[in-house]
Amino acid sequence: GENVEQHPSTLSVQEGDSAVIKCTYSDSASNYFPWYKQELGKRPQLIIDIRSNVGEKKDQRIAVTLNKTAKHFSLHITETQPEDSAVYFCAGATRGNDMRFGAGTRLTVKP
Amino acid sequence: DARVTQTPRDKVTEMGQEVTMRCQPILGHNTVFWYRQTMMQGLELLAYFRNRAPLDDSGMPKDRFSAEMPDATLATLKIQPSEPRDSAVYFCASSWGSIETQYFGPGTRLLVL
Repeated sequence: GENVEQHPSTLSVQEGDSAVIKCTYSDSASNYFPWYKQELGKRPQLIIDIRSNVGEKKDQRIAVTLNKTAKHFSLHITETQPEDSAVYFCAGATRGNDMRFGAGTRLTVKP
Repeated sequence: DARVTQTPRDKVTEMGQEVTMRCQPILGHNTVFWYRQTMMQGLELLAYFRNRAPLDDSGMPKDRFSAEMPDATLATLKIQPSEPRDSAVYFCASSWGSIETQYFGPGTRLLVL
């Protein structure tokens, strides 16, 4: 089955700087890669996703890149703000199989 | 704005007691997941169902945990008997298929004393 690894486990940046979180996956058949944000005491919520036929996707300050050859994908947050502070989870899924989550990255944006 | 609902939101119980958590998936979603989240383990998949049939429960301690979907609008997770190490937040999520967005419920915060 799929195995997703996520790095770093914690990340601290200054407000206005960029943050990058990286994930690798094991199953070359995986074709769906969502990113979830979980604020303290709240439920995880989807912030962006990418499918294997696309190399990059952007939504305002958030972007995700996918390298199928290397089997890794990354989340990029530009111009970080204190409200970006949260735990971010990556995940990978293959049609017909369950989605596997990475261990999470705790992002802290210091004002 | 359709949402996954879970009850109870908080549960405090004593070791050895039965705990039942309930989840109502978003209407029309055919896949329901149960996750456990602790500080150390992140999001741990316990079990999931598609069209009410259990597809994978390998993440669940079989001797004390059980998951069912009595109908398309209700999923349950039971722990019997509960132990202090079961203390965690239990999330239910639903989606349409395996490669679609999962929508999470608010979670049930369980504390076993």
